[in-house]
Amino acid sequence: GAGVSQSPRYKVAKRGQDVALRCDPISGHVSLFWYQQALGQGPEFLTYFQNEAQLDKSGLPSDRFFAERPEGSVSTLKIQRTQQEDSAVYLCASSPENIRAPYEQYFGPGTRLTVT
Amino acid sequence: QKEVEQNSGPLSVPEGAIASLNCTYSDRGSQSFFWYRQYSGKSPELIMFIYSNGDKEDGRFTAQLNKASQYVSLLIRDSQPSDSATYLCAVNGGAGGTSYGKLTFGQGTILTVHP
Repeated sequence: GAGVSQSPRYKVAKRGQDVALRCDPISGHVSLFWYQQALGQGPEFLTYFQNEAQLDKSGLPSDRFFAERPEGSVSTLKIQRTQQEDSAVYLCASSPENIRAPYEQYFGPGTRLTVT
Repeated sequence: QKEVEQNSGPLSVPEGAIASLNCTYSDRGSQSFFWYRQYSGKSPELIMFIYSNGDKEDGRFTAQLNKASQYVSLLIRDSQPSDSATYLCAVNGGAGGTSYGKLTFGQGTILTVHP
């Protein structure tokens, strides 16, 4: 399909393990966002890319979180030394530069991370 | 005070009724406002966006924005059981000058439409 895809859909990690979450945005979309959604809460912003440039990483909760988008398409969110509080759904969204629908973001299905 | 506040509900309405969902935001400089629908276990799906004071209608959905009161609402007319979901209010822009689309979400309101 032509939507945003994420992998894996589910990830179980033992506390202290490193994980890598992948996002494939819609082809040609310039903007890419990562959000974290805890159970029963709305998504919370983590970081933003415009093409390959990471323009805002103010939402990353600690230096254990790292994101990259080296070629301006696929993005990876890496979490080092996972902790139980990292358990959440990680959502990726992409957005075209479209003045008719400003800032319309298309969300992927998310990766549900469980840290045991 | 949270930046974007919603009543978590659940809000229960009978089929065919009007469902009214409300949201307030704290940053007076916020520029754009969005309503997303999220079914259980699924990703958020954009329903409507609005950035001018007043009403915006799209089918059974009407978004209302009052910037002076820092209030945005979503009305769903002729509610259907398939409308049962969590509705997320999201806000963009503000004092931080983030005009690129970063969204701040409320916690969501759970809507149940019963037959």
